Amino acid sequence: NAGVMQNPRHLVRRRGQEARLRCSPMKGHSHVYWYRQLPEEGLKFMVYLQKENIIDESGMPKERFSAEFPKEGPSILRIQQVVRGDSAAYFCASSPPLRTGVSGNTIYFGEGSWLTVV
Amino acid sequence: DAKTTQPTSMDCAEGRAANLPCNHSTISGNEYVYWYRQIHSQGPQYIIHGLKNNETNEMASLIITEDRKSSTLILPHATLRDTAVYYCIVRALSGNTGKLIFGQGTTLQVKP
Repeated sequence: NAGVMQNPRHLVRRRGQEARLRCSPMKGHSHVYWYRQLPEEGLKFMVYLQKENIIDESGMPKERFSAEFPKEGPSILRIQQVVRGDSAAYFCASSPPLRTGVSGNTIYFGEGSWLTVV
Repeated sequence: DAKTTQPTSMDCAEGRAANLPCNHSTISGNEYVYWYRQIHSQGPQYIIHGLKNNETNEMASLIITEDRKSSTLILPHATLRDTAVYYCIVRALSGNTGKLIFGQGTTLQVKP
């Protein structure tokens, strides 16, 4: 897991509060992905962003969840009015800009942020 | 993205080669085969990827059949630390998305 930084690593929130998870991509990477992993389940794609633009948000819940990747600073995954079902590990990943036919473009993951809603 | 099929679980003796198969019979010409693994409570770790040629790096080898409908990840000398869930994913590098879609993967248990 080469350099994708996520914080906080662990976050506890009461029901109804807001959770903000931050992700700093690897140096030189302009694309960010967010994934969610519920307890004992697989990794589910949420959203794919590049600087100041959402590319694919097909996996984002329609309400309470939002993501951004501003021109400056980390990407933020924001969960409003958290419920117990939001308790999960949230993984961020990054990649360089996609270039068709190039062997690179590898996506690297961070160590995750564990959200617990009490 | 094309779907992949992997065995649910496999065992391997420590020190022996672990061969993890993956079927991707509907893979398109522009889709790469990627392998990741997830050790318990850690982020997914990139292992290797390829298009049509066999590939090798310091972690593993990837053997892709000539028709590209299946592949095998080989860990040449498995250790206890290789116990993890291994994911085979096909990924297009065109269009607006290069996202990875994870299936259930293969749980590899390396035993002493």
